[in-house]
Amino acid sequence: AQSVTQPDIHITVSEGASLELRCNYSYGATPYLFWYVQSPGQGLQLLLKYFSGDTLVQGIKGFEAEFKRSQSSFNLRKPSVHWSDAAEYFCAVGAPLREKLTFGTGTRLTIIP
Amino acid sequence: EAGVAQSPRYKIIEKRQSVAFWCNPISGHATLYWYQQILGQGPKLLIQFQNNGVVDDSQLPKDRFSAERLKGVDSTLKIQPAKLEDSAVYLCATYPQRETYEQYFGPGTRLTVT
Repeated sequence: AQSVTQPDIHITVSEGASLELRCNYSYGATPYLFWYVQSPGQGLQLLLKYFSGDTLVQGIKGFEAEFKRSQSSFNLRKPSVHWSDAAEYFCAVGAPLREKLTFGTGTRLTIIP
Repeated sequence: EAGVAQSPRYKIIEKRQSVAFWCNPISGHATLYWYQQILGQGPKLLIQFQNNGVVDDSQLPKDRFSAERLKGVDSTLKIQPAKLEDSAVYLCATYPQRETYEQYFGPGTRLTVT
């Protein structure tokens, strides 16, 4: 069975500082990996996804993530955060051709001035 | 294109009452999901439809939860009777037939059971 671990429940970052959110997955083969963002009272919005190919993927809003098979990780990064990035971030894993996602428990990001 | 619509946005009921949620998917999206998101947790899949047929309902508590998708478009999720632990946000997501693997989420319905 597939699973996702997001070890950081809450992260606080100063505006303009860099950000890295951790995600570890468990899956028997090469998974499909996703990062979603959820602002208060909103649904989830896809930031980026990895299926195959280049292990560094670019997403919307200046986010990127790197797939590391050896570490079973798919960490999300942003070089300089903005106050509007404050939200909940979810990593998800999907099985190819299964069209189902398993989500992690999320990381809440707080931005301080 | 218009997004996934859900209603109501908020609902407060007492335990043992019944409640229903409605989802209108993006036009042409054949696959529809209902997720339960308990506070502090990630979304958990309850049921998946392909057109008007159920693909996976293994995580749906069938003694109290039911869902349908008539005509392969709108869907409703019902809870009867509700329990305190059903307090959560119920998210609807849809997925196009093409293999983009991107699920499009609605804003959710926040249910509080007192």
